[in-house]
Amino acid sequence: DTEVTQTPKHLVMGMTNKKSLKCEQHMGHRAMYWYKQKAKKPPELMFVYSYEKLSINESVPSRFSPECPNSSLLNLHLHALQPEDSALYLCASSQGTPYSGNTIYFGEGSWLTVV
Amino acid sequence: DAKTTQPNSMESNEEEPVHLPCNHSTISGTDYIHWYRQLPSQGPEYVIHGLTSNVNNRMASLAIAEDRKSSTLILHRATLRDAAVYYCIRTTSGTYKYIFGTGTRLKVLA
Repeated sequence: DTEVTQTPKHLVMGMTNKKSLKCEQHMGHRAMYWYKQKAKKPPELMFVYSYEKLSINESVPSRFSPECPNSSLLNLHLHALQPEDSALYLCASSQGTPYSGNTIYFGEGSWLTVV
Repeated sequence: DAKTTQPNSMESNEEEPVHLPCNHSTISGTDYIHWYRQLPSQGPEYVIHGLTSNVNNRMASLAIAEDRKSSTLILHRATLRDAAVYYCIRTTSGTYKYIFGTGTRLKVLA
């Protein structure tokens, strides 16, 4: 089963709200990722967790706060977002590092609209 | 700057082969080449990957140039369900990063 599950599928939030995106995988993968994708553009890496520790933060604004409670779960906490943060947020996981030939598996994404 | 470039769009007739090119001229010797596709309103789906040799699986074939500066994804018989954006991706040594190409939007004509 190569499945990454994301909830919610759609989220509308105001600029003063606090919300969270959730991601789950049961493939025993040790690396988990958050990507952001704007319309007609490729996904952009935001964060990588490896063995539940933050490994990469691509200079993402602090209004995005990732959390990895355990090896199967990944959250993205959202606070004081801007309308330009509206995008598709993709969670992904892999057994190991891509440069070793490991494949990254993506979820279907959470569509976020900030109003 | 590591760039991976692809044509913006391509068209194919149904049940004909499709060759999707990718240029990754700055690739290093240990970087893998991955291909994913993304259907509307879905996350990217893995298609195939390789390092040096040509690769085949049930979905597609991957032909890698001898100098590894380019590769071609081959769909042997395009179907309407193959209409998607196809991303060519290279890995980067020592990191978890995928370097996404610009993507090719494939249109399949019935």
